[in-house]
Amino acid sequence: DGGITQSPKYLFRKEGQNVTLSCEQNLNHDAMYWYRQDPGQGLRLIYYSQIVNDFQKGDIAEGYSVSREKKESFPLTVTSAQKNPTAFYLCASSKGISGISYEQYFGPGTRLTVT
Amino acid sequence: DAKTTQPNSMESNEEEPVHLPCNHSTISGTDYIHWYRQLPSQGPEYVIHGLTSNVNNRMASLAIAEDRKSSTLILHRATLRDAAVYYCILRSAGGTSYGKLTFGQGTILTVHP
Repeated sequence: DGGITQSPKYLFRKEGQNVTLSCEQNLNHDAMYWYRQDPGQGLRLIYYSQIVNDFQKGDIAEGYSVSREKKESFPLTVTSAQKNPTAFYLCASSKGISGISYEQYFGPGTRLTVT
Repeated sequence: DAKTTQPNSMESNEEEPVHLPCNHSTISGTDYIHWYRQLPSQGPEYVIHGLTSNVNNRMASLAIAEDRKSSTLILHRATLRDAAVYYCILRSAGGTSYGKLTFGQGTILTVHP
C-alpha cells in the first residue's frame, strides 16, 4: 500500500537536545511538507520541499531544519533553539505544488514531548 | 491567504445528513475550496475540493454558492466514524502559490448514536 510513514509515534526528549523526526513516502510525490499542531489548534507550516535538494521555509521555521536528499524522505530536526518544541508533528506529500490543485496526503504524526 | 469562517462545533445523529457550512467572502477567482478532516490523534485526511461547480465523491458532496462566497460540505448519512474536526481551506492554484494549506480551527463534528 502506498502512503506516508512517520516514526516514532511518540518521542520524549530532554530540553537542550536536538531530535530528528522521520518521514518517508512511497507515493512518488515530488512535494513534501512538515506541519506542527498544538492542542486545539489548526496546522502550521514549518518547511516544504518541491523537489530533491530543495526546500523552503514555511510560517514557523525558526528552530527547525530539514533535508531532502532523496525523493522519498524528508526528515525534520527540532533543534535546541526551538523554544516550545512539544507538539504534534505532521508530514505530508503531494504530487506537486503549483499549478492545479493537488491534494495533500498526511502521515499519522509524531507526538514530541520535551521536558 | 483568503480566510474562511466555520462554526466551532456541530452535532448530528447517526444515519442523518450533515451540512457543514463555510464562509469565504474574500475568495479570489483562482482559489480552490478544499475540505479536510482530522480524527483524534491522526493526520488530516482529504475529503473533497472544488472551484465553481458542485462536486460529489464517495465521501461527501460539496455545494458551492453561485457567488462562491460560501460553501457547504454535505455528509449524506453520518456515521460514528465521521466524528472529526472538519477544515474548510482556500488554496490558490495560480501565481506564486506553493500549495500551502492554511488550517483554521475547523468545525468539531459530534455524531450521536
